[in-house]
Amino acid sequence: GESVGLHLPTLSVQEGDNSIINCAYSNSASDYFIWYKQESGKGPQFIIDIRSNMDKRQGQRVTVLLNKTVKHLSLQIAATQPGDSAVYFCAENYTGGFKTIFGAGTRLFVKA
Amino acid sequence: NAGVTQTPKFQVLKTGQSMTLQCAQDMNHEYMSWYRQDPGMGLRLIHYSVGAGITDQGEVPNGYNVSRSTTEDFPLRLLSAAPSQTSVYFCASSYVSGGNSPLHFGNGTRLTVT
Repeated sequence: GESVGLHLPTLSVQEGDNSIINCAYSNSASDYFIWYKQESGKGPQFIIDIRSNMDKRQGQRVTVLLNKTVKHLSLQIAATQPGDSAVYFCAENYTGGFKTIFGAGTRLFVKA
Repeated sequence: NAGVTQTPKFQVLKTGQSMTLQCAQDMNHEYMSWYRQDPGMGLRLIHYSVGAGITDQGEVPNGYNVSRSTTEDFPLRLLSAAPSQTSVYFCASSYVSGGNSPLHFGNGTRLTVT
């Protein structure tokens, strides 16, 4: 989910369901993509990354999918838990670049 | 390990005052950066450094100065605070420069300018 302005898009899921958070990136030259999780009152925390030579990468309960054709990134969280409630940011950079650019974020709310 | 440490956690300034936000990392990271986060928006890059003695501008550098005299420290200076600088400021570091490793963030400094 991309957002413009003050209101973050919100995804509300039931505990135990899978969550999918989407992101459109802007720079065709970007070849390194990262997902961060930000809990209230804390700094963003690294979740998982992927390079452009891959379409999919899996971590523990998380999967990132990359579609370079349409410049789209998604984060899948399996068996979502209340502790997953946070704001999720996608970010992009490119090899040799020094500026990691962040999307506006998506708020994930997990209902118990 | 402490990771990335930011001080202070909260600060209130009057318009025109100056101050320095401190950032230190103990991971021997060569790359450090400052972001600001405003409500409902992502993080915007203010300044960054690829090593001691080297700094450069990000997306929103106006009104801010930085220096990098050591690998560990990367302070952010507000020269003359304005209400538009009310924000949450995050310092981040990474092992290598060049867009190939994730950023490690501090827990932020919440700044209010009245």
